[in-house]
Amino acid sequence: DVKVTQSSRYLVKRTGEKVFLECVQDMDHENMFWYRQDPGLGLRLIYFSYDVKMKEKGDIPEGYSVSREKKERFSLILESASTNQTSMYLCASSVDRIETQYFGPGTRLLVL
Amino acid sequence: GQNIDQPTEMTATEGAIVQINCTYQTSGFNGLFWYQQHAGEAPTFLSYNVLDGLEEKGRFSSFLSRSKGYSYLLLKELQMKDSASYLCAVRDDNQGGKLIFGQGTELSVKP
Repeated sequence: DVKVTQSSRYLVKRTGEKVFLECVQDMDHENMFWYRQDPGLGLRLIYFSYDVKMKEKGDIPEGYSVSREKKERFSLILESASTNQTSMYLCASSVDRIETQYFGPGTRLLVL
Repeated sequence: GQNIDQPTEMTATEGAIVQINCTYQTSGFNGLFWYQQHAGEAPTFLSYNVLDGLEEKGRFSSFLSRSKGYSYLLLKELQMKDSASYLCAVRDDNQGGKLIFGQGTELSVKP
């Protein structure tokens, strides 16, 4: 079974804090993705990575950065959290660009 | 550009059949995915279509017509546990193979 894990299910942070969301997959997948999901807007791609130390901007990268130092780990960083970054954050991974993406359980972030 | 449309919500009765439609407009189409997402949980993969026709997997089937930019997910013998959001996603090779997601269809199964 593919296993994608995320460091926290729920997180509460204050405006201006630096926030780290961690994602780990144990299937040696090349590709990893960060999405956010908001009511009425669906899933939107923030950043993705097709290889170690490689990153590409998705559709809504502003206010976020990522790090992929190891193949199995993809971190999403909010440099200075803002209230409009309150959302459900979902990490996903896939074997390659063609194959199915598998999602982690999600992190529900509240920024006060 | 790209656009994916699916109904916001649907209601059906336990034991019945329901069809959830998805229409898309994308320039680099290379496959369509359906995911199921229960409230507060991660999306889980249901089906994948890249060629025209019907793919059947137990109680779930998915159909694709590339010429019409249309897909549907068919759920048979509905069970209460099928109450969930169903997400349609299209792979766009003109955008590096990214998945473009629809907003999801919230299905409520009533007794």
